[in-house]
Amino acid sequence: NAGVTQTPKFRILKIGQSMTLQCAQDMNHNYMYWYRQDPGMGLKLIYYSVGAGITDKGEVPNGYNVSRSTTEDFPLRLELAAPSQTSVYFCASSQEGRELFFGEGSRLTVL
Amino acid sequence: QQQVKQSPQSLIVQKGGISIINCAYENTAFDYFPWYQQFPGKGPALLIAIRPDVSEKKEGRFTISFNKSAKQFSLHIMDSQPGDSATYFCAASKQTGANNLFFGTGTRLTVIP
Repeated sequence: NAGVTQTPKFRILKIGQSMTLQCAQDMNHNYMYWYRQDPGMGLKLIYYSVGAGITDKGEVPNGYNVSRSTTEDFPLRLELAAPSQTSVYFCASSQEGRELFFGEGSRLTVL
Repeated sequence: QQQVKQSPQSLIVQKGGISIINCAYENTAFDYFPWYQQFPGKGPALLIAIRPDVSEKKEGRFTISFNKSAKQFSLHIMDSQPGDSATYFCAASKQTGANNLFFGTGTRLTVIP
């Protein structure tokens, strides 16, 4: 099993550009999450999903969108990138919400 | 409002020493307390977890101590090694479900040879 796979690992965007961070899991988990991690600030929940077709906002959803068309995939869309979105983004999945399995992260820089 | 408060933010320990990271919570509904370990350039991974019906859980050099009355729990790393250098997150969960796991802000541990 590959677990949780995120692409790309690194990306540089210009202000105002858009992009999608991809996330896929092969553990048949119902729950999927997107977090961002800023230095010294811990993990902030952006969006989460309880299953295909169902998503909900986390703590810091502004500037982001998600979709969940399949159990396996949970892409995160950044519209009109801003320098404040420079961060490391982690996708995670979980069967029951107690233990999360994280991907290796996508480091995004907005210049 | 931070559901789980973690300290210190950073910690430097000599090789062979004991590393101690503390967490506190207010919500008495929390019933599961995991610790995650994150190496540089990697995602966090579950290290060890405890439920409030026990006061201590040990796995190798890693021990969770839990004080239910004080609403505090801590991670002790005995005989700390340079390979333990990582960021550690405590967390707390009040039930199963998609958005019921709350993380502390993390502690960056550096173990110097």
